[in-house]
Amino acid sequence: SQQGEEDPQALSIQEGENATMNCSYKTSINNLQWYRQNSGRGLVHLILIRSNEREKHSGRLRVTLDTSKKSSSLLITASRAADTASYFCATPEGYNQGGKLIFGQGTELSVKP
Amino acid sequence: ETGVTQSPTHLIKTRGQQVTLRCSSQSGHNTVSWYQQALGQGPQFIFQYYREEENGRGNFPPRFSGLQFPNYSSELNVNALELDDSALYLCASSLRQDAYGYTFGSGTRLTVV
Repeated sequence: SQQGEEDPQALSIQEGENATMNCSYKTSINNLQWYRQNSGRGLVHLILIRSNEREKHSGRLRVTLDTSKKSSSLLITASRAADTASYFCATPEGYNQGGKLIFGQGTELSVKP
Repeated sequence: ETGVTQSPTHLIKTRGQQVTLRCSSQSGHNTVSWYQQALGQGPQFIFQYYREEENGRGNFPPRFSGLQFPNYSSELNVNALELDDSALYLCASSLRQDAYGYTFGSGTRLTVV
């Protein structure tokens, strides 16, 4: 079963614009992670935000987490054509159980030059 | 420091056959997890191995089995292949059993005909 649901499923923007992707989840979590996947290849870990954090930055990435709404957002600022990829949120199953990551279905981002 | 290496990158099998996929963990990582990603979907957890023991399993039938070796490399075996087994199979390694800091391989694309 998929814990995370992402919105939108697909997003098309121009280079230089900002891209925002949203993720909702169902159960209590101790962290939420965002991954990027280029053209059906391997996943690249982008950022992890813990349940006691509300916002985190990494370069052009900004992630927010609202545990009361069970939602997170990923903002990519000043997007580039190279940001074209699928983006997934993922949460560990269970609050203190390790190992299993539950992924959303992803947002497919297309950045046009 | 090497990353996670998976082999082969692509293969085609006939329904009913058996397949073995291989994964070499990132140097120093003692935990390996396997995920199945169908086209257009997020990855689904198959199982995890920690120090050669299975440490959690997703909702996959027993014909999906695995091994982890003393050097922490791993195999995923699938018996009696079905058409629905066609997917990208991803291996991820980490230092810990919990879901922090996964490094994913580029995946093996399996097509069952």
